[in-house]
Amino acid sequence: GAGVSQSPSNKVTEKGKDVELRCDPISGHTALYWYRQSLGQGLEFLIYFQGNSAPDKSGLPSDRFSAERTGGSVSTLTIQRTQQEDSAVYLCASSLGPYSNQPQHFGDGTRLSIL
Amino acid sequence: AQTVTQSQPEMSVQEAETVTLSCTYDTSESDYYLFWYKQPPSRQMILVIRQEAYKQQNATENRFSVNFQKAAKSFSLKISDSQLGDAAMYFCAYRTSHNSGGSNYKLTFGKGTLLTVNP
Repeated sequence: GAGVSQSPSNKVTEKGKDVELRCDPISGHTALYWYRQSLGQGLEFLIYFQGNSAPDKSGLPSDRFSAERTGGSVSTLTIQRTQQEDSAVYLCASSLGPYSNQPQHFGDGTRLSIL
Repeated sequence: AQTVTQSQPEMSVQEAETVTLSCTYDTSESDYYLFWYKQPPSRQMILVIRQEAYKQQNATENRFSVNFQKAAKSFSLKISDSQLGDAAMYFCAYRTSHNSGGSNYKLTFGKGTLLTVNP
């Protein structure tokens, strides 16, 4: 597609359930990023992929969070045993490569609500 | 660690007028990039303008321009001839240059300024 695609657009789930969020980057973009946007917290970096490798996972808030990327394309962010504090908008971005002069292009995000 | 501060949670402007959004940042690095992103209610973060720290000339993009003061670590966004479609949340962001090494892949964002455009 022309832009970064994220699904689902909205997700409502009960506390304790597992959720999977999907990101389809722009075709040909080797770098992929996940951010979380919470009320009052702004945007925080979660994880970065170059190809299928994640050189830095230190932004993941707890071991309930994991992410993978396959085929150098689609990425999935998984949250296990969801908690109410996980409620946020999860944004995915991609860029042509990892260099700073290559801008990050964002998707529309997934709004996650934990009941 | 780098920090980005946007001191104006909300701003408003009359249609066709000019508004300036403030951003300051803290870094010990000399080479970096600064960005302004716009986030309308659709949630998509849209890149408005970017500035390379090594360039003295302020970036401009149509009605959008920046005032980059490197010594003061200030990076304000000026929107001229404001339009109703400019209403959105605006985020200032910082990224280390890859020439500086280290964690140069992530963007560090300010908390945003909500801009309202009045007809």
